Amino acid sequence: DVKVTQSSRYLVKRTGEKVFLECVQDMDHENMFWYRQDPGLGLRLIYFSYDVKMKEKGDIPEGYSVSREKKERFSLILESASTNQTSMYLCASSLVQGVQPQHFGDGTRLSIL
Amino acid sequence: GESVGLHLPTLSVQEGDNSIINCAYSNSASDYFIWYKQESGKGPQFIIDIRSNMDKRQGQRVTVLLNKTVKHLSLQIAATQPGDSAVYFCAENVNSGYALNFGKGTSLLVTP
Repeated sequence: DVKVTQSSRYLVKRTGEKVFLECVQDMDHENMFWYRQDPGLGLRLIYFSYDVKMKEKGDIPEGYSVSREKKERFSLILESASTNQTSMYLCASSLVQGVQPQHFGDGTRLSIL
Repeated sequence: GESVGLHLPTLSVQEGDNSIINCAYSNSASDYFIWYKQESGKGPQFIIDIRSNMDKRQGQRVTVLLNKTVKHLSLQIAATQPGDSAVYFCAENVNSGYALNFGKGTSLLVTP
């Protein structure tokens, strides 16, 4: 089975802090994704990566950056956390785009105070 | 994007009945569709997928139907069980691109 592991289930940070969310997949997938999930808004794509050191903006990249130094690890960075970034963050990975599903981790619930 | 939508936000069914969850999409270039199940406190879990060159696909107790003429997708769950209670999302992939467009979800509640 595909395993996507997010380093923290719950995280509380303060406004202005730099926040790192980590995600690791164990299936040698090419593609990795970061979403945020908010009530009434569904899942929205923040960034994705199709290869090591490659990244593409999703629908809502503002206030975020990403890093993919190794194939199995994809990090989401909140450069200066703000309260409107309080959300559930979901990481996903996939092998081949368009023909295979994305597999998700269990999420990090991030609260910015 | 919001091209993927769900007809009903909540669905309540009795244990043992069949459930049908519907989804509409608007992009003719959508070529791959996925159903996910999300239980409370967990990430979305892959259930079943279908490509646009098919109109039906079956799994264990689940069937996905795709009607390209009316741009409609449905998930059928046979003999619904309490463990099926969750939020169900459909997602579409357009032109075999990287990103998925997700619907907002339907909450399925299975009553004894």
